[in-house]
Amino acid sequence: AQKITQTQPGMFVQEKEAVTLDCTYDTSDPSYGLFWYKQPSSGEMIFLIYQGSYDQQNATEGRYSLNFQKARKSANLVISASQLGDSAMYFCAMSLNTGFQKLVFGTGTRLLVSP
Amino acid sequence: DGGITQSPKYLFRKEGQNVTLSCEQNLNHDAMYWYRQDPGQGLRLIYYSQIVNDFQKGDIAEGYSVSREKKESFPLTVTSAKKNPTAFYLCASSMGELDYGYTFGSGTRLTVV
Repeated sequence: AQKITQTQPGMFVQEKEAVTLDCTYDTSDPSYGLFWYKQPSSGEMIFLIYQGSYDQQNATEGRYSLNFQKARKSANLVISASQLGDSAMYFCAMSLNTGFQKLVFGTGTRLLVSP
Repeated sequence: DGGITQSPKYLFRKEGQNVTLSCEQNLNHDAMYWYRQDPGQGLRLIYYSQIVNDFQKGDIAEGYSVSREKKESFPLTVTSAKKNPTAFYLCASSMGELDYGYTFGSGTRLTVV
């Protein structure tokens, strides 16, 4: 069964430091995509970064990078130089093509950035 | 600007009533989705639609119904039969391709009183 696991319910980081949010996934399908979304307290889901299963390079988007270790089935999000506005819930998700594109989500990690 | 609009933002329902949550998109996306979010849990798929006049049940469809009469619109009805409907509901749309991901609405918080 396809599954996303986020083992950190909450993380704390000081402003300007880097933080890693963990994500492991389970699928037997060779073709899949991995996403990270940010959910502020207002509730909307904001797309951060994407990694394809066949991509050779780790994805980067500004201060966000995805540490993709395919053999370990992990897709950790690294946020560099944390800002107060980064405080939010973060969800890892996996895209599967089971006849339609379906996103499977983890339970999320709440990040709190302190001054 | 293109996007997804969900309304209302907050909704209160008495037990025994049906209620409909609105979702409209102007992104020209073919696929639309409804997810439910409960505290401490991830998003769970309720229904999805790949094309107009077609939709399929997701993982937790019991007690919900949808329609897809227009490409832009995918309303969700929470029926009176649904137990524990209090939750945050998110609508999303996508191109339906593996690497595209979803665009989400801002959500509707439903409370049963």
